[in-house]
Amino acid sequence: GESVGLHLPTLSVQEGDNSIINCAYSNSASDYFIWYKQESGKGPQFIIDIRSNMDKRQGQRVTVLLNKTVKHLSLQIAATQPGDSAVYFCAENISGYSTLTFGKGTMLLVSP
Amino acid sequence: KAGVTQTPRYLIKTRGQQVTLSCSPISGHRSVSWYQQTPGQGLQFLFEYFSETQRNKGNFPGRFSGRQFSNSRSEMNVSTLELGDSALYLCASSLDTGSDSPLHFGNGTRLTVT
Repeated sequence: GESVGLHLPTLSVQEGDNSIINCAYSNSASDYFIWYKQESGKGPQFIIDIRSNMDKRQGQRVTVLLNKTVKHLSLQIAATQPGDSAVYFCAENISGYSTLTFGKGTMLLVSP
Repeated sequence: KAGVTQTPRYLIKTRGQQVTLSCSPISGHRSVSWYQQTPGQGLQFLFEYFSETQRNKGNFPGRFSGRQFSNSRSEMNVSTLELGDSALYLCASSLDTGSDSPLHFGNGTRLTVT
């Protein structure tokens, strides 16, 4: 499949481990944040979102943490599986605007 | 419900030519956005359309244009293609514009300019 990015930060984990992917966002006015997963040859797939009035949000096997003080976002994946291998992007948005600003992405590699 | 559909999947064009890419949003979604993805620059916003009107535009030259039809389907056009236009072009749709609803992306059109 096509490469979605070269020289991306890479996180390598073993199957069953918990993974933490970090993201620093740039705009202190951003109040809506989204994590996307992109597999080779596919478009970004929505994973989970969080609004700035929350610090934490949980989904199925995923948790997003937001620290507005230091403008930091993290995605935690529990019991990581080989199917989780992909590039993960955080994106930020300001309410009232549909434009997303994406981070550079992190490649997650899961070994069986 | 069908996802965002982009056609064609792959395109090869020559410098100086023009190209039109097509996007069908998720049924019921009225906002369509376009992004360019390259290894060097990552995902960059091109423009957003809502109710057939361009709502926002990214920092791209005028060679990049788009439109939206009354059924919310959208097209983008790139004229006078340059080698640097080679990229994955992604279309995304959302229920509304300016709202906190996530964008849902298609699988993109891979454009190669030779």
